[in-house]
Amino acid sequence: DTAVSQTPKYLVTQMGNDKSIKCEQNLGHDTMYWYKQDSKKFLKIMFSYNNKELIINETVPNRFSPKSPDKAHLNLHINSLELGDSAVYFCASSQRTSGSIGEQFFGPGTRLTVL
Amino acid sequence: AQSVTQPDIHITVSEGASLELRCNYSYGATPYLFWYVQSPGQGLQLLLKYFSGDTLVQGIKGFEAEFKRSQSSFNLRKPSVHWSDAAEYFCAVGHFNKFYFGSGTKLNVKP
Repeated sequence: DTAVSQTPKYLVTQMGNDKSIKCEQNLGHDTMYWYKQDSKKFLKIMFSYNNKELIINETVPNRFSPKSPDKAHLNLHINSLELGDSAVYFCASSQRTSGSIGEQFFGPGTRLTVL
Repeated sequence: AQSVTQPDIHITVSEGASLELRCNYSYGATPYLFWYVQSPGQGLQLLLKYFSGDTLVQGIKGFEAEFKRSQSSFNLRKPSVHWSDAAEYFCAVGHFNKFYFGSGTKLNVKP
């Protein structure tokens, strides 16, 4: 029973293409996140949704557009892919408690390679 | 601004030896602190967390961590390392809706 799942696991594409990554969690959490992990393993938050509402939108190019159709799903669409977008993208979820943060559960990651 | 520092990029220990991975944070209030482990090609798995109370917390796989407010540290320890512990370890601070991750420490285990 996978808690946080992502598809696809690997994505290889050409520069300029548009691609999407999907994330689903079955933990009943109300908050979901997208992180980018670069080649040096540094993890940086990109977006977060709480109850389908965007609550964190870090300095990310507007080519990246998250969408949360419901609390259990958070997708990431990327337009006009660039070489620098190559990274591992992690989805995570958590349950907010008393306005603060709970532990985050991570998906297995999507390795995006832009050629 | 919140920040997390893991001063050791790589650490190599012999199997059976003890381990301590360092983590320092910069944060104005009582932090929510976490340690995650990432095996090659895998996602992040929570090892342990500190929210409040006893400053020595126990986690999975025999790991523990100690919160020291005076030193702004949350170091991870294990008394006897196993070869399967070889992985990347991340310290994180939670603040409202955000996690701030350290840059990670890669642990190699010598037979």
